[in-house]
Amino acid sequence: GAVVSQHPSWVICKSGTSVKIECRSLDFQATTMFWYRQFPKQSLMLMATSNEGSKATYEQGVEKDKFLINHASLTLSTLTVTSAHPEDSSFYICSAREDEYSNQPQHFGDGTRLSIL
Amino acid sequence: AQKVTQAQTEISVVEKEDVTLDCVYETRDTTYYLFWYKQPPSGELVFLIRRNSFDEQNEISGRYSWNFQKSTSSFNFTITASQVVDSAVYFCALSEYGGTSYGKLTFGQGTILTVHP
Repeated sequence: GAVVSQHPSWVICKSGTSVKIECRSLDFQATTMFWYRQFPKQSLMLMATSNEGSKATYEQGVEKDKFLINHASLTLSTLTVTSAHPEDSSFYICSAREDEYSNQPQHFGDGTRLSIL
Repeated sequence: AQKVTQAQTEISVVEKEDVTLDCVYETRDTTYYLFWYKQPPSGELVFLIRRNSFDEQNEISGRYSWNFQKSTSSFNFTITASQVVDSAVYFCALSEYGGTSYGKLTFGQGTILTVHP
């Protein structure tokens, strides 16, 4: 079945560092990918929609200058958390959209746990 | 706007008991998709089922069954003869049907299921 690879799975870094997270669709092309954030013991909240070759669409309340999204190819989207601070510590998970009429129209990566010290 | 409500924050059962996880949703769309995902402690999202809004047939898959009632906007999930390995957080989710936003999910708050031996 379709697989989405997300890397890294775990990041610990100092405050002020920028962190890049990659989301790759391994066996299908994904013109659209989604980025979600999940704080401990909370639900997943959509941050942004990443579209190949165009600007990402951010959800209300998400700082686009803080969370830079690049979707330069049909199989790769990246999320960069710029100048990360402890409040950015969270679980970030991406999904890649496939054929709507398949059993699973979107496939999730395994997520990235980000801890900012 | 779409909304998904999982009123049960936590459920605790003893192995072999049946357990039902409730999900109620709100949407102005006449066609839409509903999903259930399992999130074990490792964090990845495990796809369980997708149901489209015009298919109200209940579904059974092994020990899992789903009851979709469009009249009450509910999509409940039952685990029969629960097992310790069923312990996880379960999310109900909703997305648009077709259009540019398909694949973009609105998640419920999640229900933490703990199955004791």
